[in-house]
Amino acid sequence: DAKTTQPPSMDCAEGRAANLPCNHSTISGNEYVYWYRQIHSQGPQYIIHGLKNNETNEMASLIITEDRKSSTLILPHATLRDTAVYYCIVRADNYGQNFVFGPGTRLSVLP
Amino acid sequence: GAVVSQHPSRVICKSGTSVKIECRSLDFQATTMFWYRQFPKQSLMLMATSNEGSKATYEQGVEKDKFLINHASLTLSTLTVTSAHPEDSSFYICSARGAGLVGQFFGPGTRLTVL
Repeated sequence: DAKTTQPPSMDCAEGRAANLPCNHSTISGNEYVYWYRQIHSQGPQYIIHGLKNNETNEMASLIITEDRKSSTLILPHATLRDTAVYYCIVRADNYGQNFVFGPGTRLSVLP
Repeated sequence: GAVVSQHPSRVICKSGTSVKIECRSLDFQATTMFWYRQFPKQSLMLMATSNEGSKATYEQGVEKDKFLINHASLTLSTLTVTSAHPEDSSFYICSARGAGLVGQFFGPGTRLTVL
């Protein structure tokens, strides 16, 4: 598995964009970048994923560098409800393989 | 789509008893299901992987006779914590992957407290 590195914690002001970085310098060509988040005492929630191109959905945007060695998750207008632990996971799309969770980034959205 | 449910959401039991946790894929067929455990302020740790109709594969350090996993159908997997002890108190989370679906879908988790 490609290992990912994320900052342990970040703060963001409510209403501002939250930019969460992730390094995955050993990523392989067939591995996707997934982002999940976990709000306290809940199961992980899928946010977004991508392979090479930047992606956007109703929750967030995912920016992947051209060399694919790093990515950034962008929450365009953070709210207090976005306070959570955010996990960046790199994984090939193999149905039998699990997702390995690192410590993630604890995002605190401040009023 | 791709919803996974767990039942119960919360359970408290006495030491020595067994507890069963159900994980269901509601709108897709789960070819593979995973069971994770999460202790306070820690990340999710994989316990075992199960495929429908076959024996589960356990991670190193996870006792297969203590954590019984049954994946009898493509929509249901169960985890039974046998002879539970206080150190088994944790947050148990299941997830599933399905054919044709990208990614892994997680249940809401089950909080187990063993007194």
